[in-house]
Amino acid sequence: GIQVEQSPPDLILQEGANSTLRCNFSDSVNNLQWFHQNPWGQLINLFYIPSGTKQNGRLSATTVATERYSLLYISSSQTTDSGVYFCAVEQPNDYKLSFGAGTTVTVRA
Amino acid sequence: NAGVTQTPKFQVLKTGQSMTLQCAQDMNHEYMSWYRQDPGMGLRLIHYSVGAGITDQGEVPNGYNVSRSTTEDFPLRLLSAAPSQTSVYFCASSYGGVEQFFGPGTRLTVL
Repeated sequence: GIQVEQSPPDLILQEGANSTLRCNFSDSVNNLQWFHQNPWGQLINLFYIPSGTKQNGRLSATTVATERYSLLYISSSQTTDSGVYFCAVEQPNDYKLSFGAGTTVTVRA
Repeated sequence: NAGVTQTPKFQVLKTGQSMTLQCAQDMNHEYMSWYRQDPGMGLRLIHYSVGAGITDQGEVPNGYNVSRSTTEDFPLRLLSAAPSQTSVYFCASSYGGVEQFFGPGTRLTVL
């Protein structure tokens, strides 16, 4: 099956700092999503981004499908950004999401 | 819209007991699926359905059964619970295989 690798595994930030999370995948995909899992365990949809660039407030994401990677940018980080960020991909005609292992982000005040 | 709902939120079982985790969605989504999340790991697919009456196995299906009699509901059954099934279970749905939406999860402990 498709392999999804996220880096770095852990990230510690000072409040106000910017950061970039990366997701590499091993095969063609027709769906790529970024999720934030908050400390209460809830999975929150951040972006549905099989290709291109999207922005939502302080977060933005870029997927370069031809090179099989996606980036999630967090700007001016806040303590509420803490949690685990997952990248998940879906292959054509598969309807199943394959998840990376996640990046654990800790933002310190 | 309530989105994707799951019940119960928490459950403790003894080894060998059976139970059903409920999942419902009110978005008229064709696709529904069940994932489990173990500590420090991403989610792994258990079973999925592409429409009423159609189900298929995912990555880790052993010990679990599903059925899809309606578009709205997709219950997950544990026939004989084992400690290895201690996990957090998430249900998800989507329309047309695009963006998937997840329920709040069920935290299951098997003693």
